[in-house]
Amino acid sequence: AQKITQTQPGMFVQEKEAVTLDCTYDTSDQSYGLFWYKQPSSGEMIFLIYQGSYDEQNATEGRYSLNFQKARKSANLVISASQLGDSAMYFCAMREYSGTYKYIFGTGTRLKVLA
Amino acid sequence: DTGVSQDPRHKITKRGQNVTFRCDPISEHNRLYWYRQTLGQGPEFLTYFQNEAQLEKSRLLSDRFSAERPKGSFSTLEIQRTEQGDSAMYLCASSLGGLRGHNNEQFFGPGTRLTVL
Repeated sequence: AQKITQTQPGMFVQEKEAVTLDCTYDTSDQSYGLFWYKQPSSGEMIFLIYQGSYDEQNATEGRYSLNFQKARKSANLVISASQLGDSAMYFCAMREYSGTYKYIFGTGTRLKVLA
Repeated sequence: DTGVSQDPRHKITKRGQNVTFRCDPISEHNRLYWYRQTLGQGPEFLTYFQNEAQLEKSRLLSDRFSAERPKGSFSTLEIQRTEQGDSAMYLCASSLGGLRGHNNEQFFGPGTRLTVL
């Protein structure tokens, strides 16, 4: 079974609009972390935002916010005021601990921002 | 720049040859990870080091793959007898573990793109 599911292979958003990228996860651990990364066409993975399983408030980093719904096991990324430079692949990832730390990535969502 | 660096950035090789990639993590990071990423997929975990100890290896890592981190700083990933299916981007990431690590977020290098002909 997929541990990280990103159901949107591709998304379009108009410049200056907000967009939500979906991510659901599956774990039986009580303590875990959720991450979002951006991968532009250049290939480098850029860390965007982190949410810990015990964090009560949704994480925010500038224009990025994470809509964390623990009971639903979802960790959606919201990008506000989209910019052309936001066009990239976006990956949701989960960190689990089972003796050692493991990071599991989803298949990604390709976001295209339209002018 | 004190980010994660990888060398080479691109490697083209013939099937059956051996290749070695290098990763230099952020200097104070004690954890180092290798991932493989194929087109249209997310990174797949290969192996993980804490300092010089290799603590985890994925089942994806066949006997032809070996990784080292001899002094707990840089790491090498070697693929022996390469096959066309090994063609992928190989990503290295590092993080700061323990209480100092806060969120333990990983910082990625630019990757090494391997093409096996």
